[in-house]
Amino acid sequence: ILNVEQSPQSLHVQEGDSTNFTCSFPSSNFYALHWYRWETAKSPEALFVMTLNGDEKKKGRISATLNTKEGYSYLYIKGSQPEDSATYLCAFINFGNEKLTFGTGTRLTIIP
Amino acid sequence: EPEVTQTPSHQVTQMGQEVILRCVPISNHLYFYWYRQILGQKVEFLVSFYNNEISEKSEIFDDQFSVERPDGSNFTLKIRSTKLEDSAMYFCASTTREDLVDEQFFGPGTRLTVL
Repeated sequence: ILNVEQSPQSLHVQEGDSTNFTCSFPSSNFYALHWYRWETAKSPEALFVMTLNGDEKKKGRISATLNTKEGYSYLYIKGSQPEDSATYLCAFINFGNEKLTFGTGTRLTIIP
Repeated sequence: EPEVTQTPSHQVTQMGQEVILRCVPISNHLYFYWYRQILGQKVEFLVSFYNNEISEKSEIFDDQFSVERPDGSNFTLKIRSTKLEDSAMYFCASTTREDLVDEQFFGPGTRLTVL
């Protein structure tokens, strides 16, 4: 059974502050790591797909890093805005299969 | 921008009844998935489907579950005889999957409540 964990489970951040949270996953048989943002009553939206150790990806104020050797990824949000409030999910793909194995998610609330 | 759609958004049913959850994947996608999230738990993989066949399924996807692509656009999940523990949010996803790293595009989900 693959175990993907995210921390913290929830987070309150003041508008304008920067924040980050973690996804940990099995380091063996790694194939890819996906980050999704999921706003209530909407579809989960893909943020990044990461494959290479040391990968760093950026989309606007959001960026992510990947360490496949130790099995973790960080998601960073710079200068948080109210629209960043959502649940952030990471999902791991093991080499040899196609399903996404999800973490528990980090629920982020930005306080205006 | 193309999107995955799901109907209904909320389905309430009695235990033992059959339900069909419907999804319309993005039109040029070839790989289709169902996931579910029981309240307070992780999103879990149920099944993947390609070329009119199941390509992978989880332990959850037992004989009570089936999937079908009855025409060129719809992708359905049927639960034959619902149980209380089937209450969850069910998500459909699709991808071109030219590579396993391609993102899966998710629908907004159907909330199934079994009474």
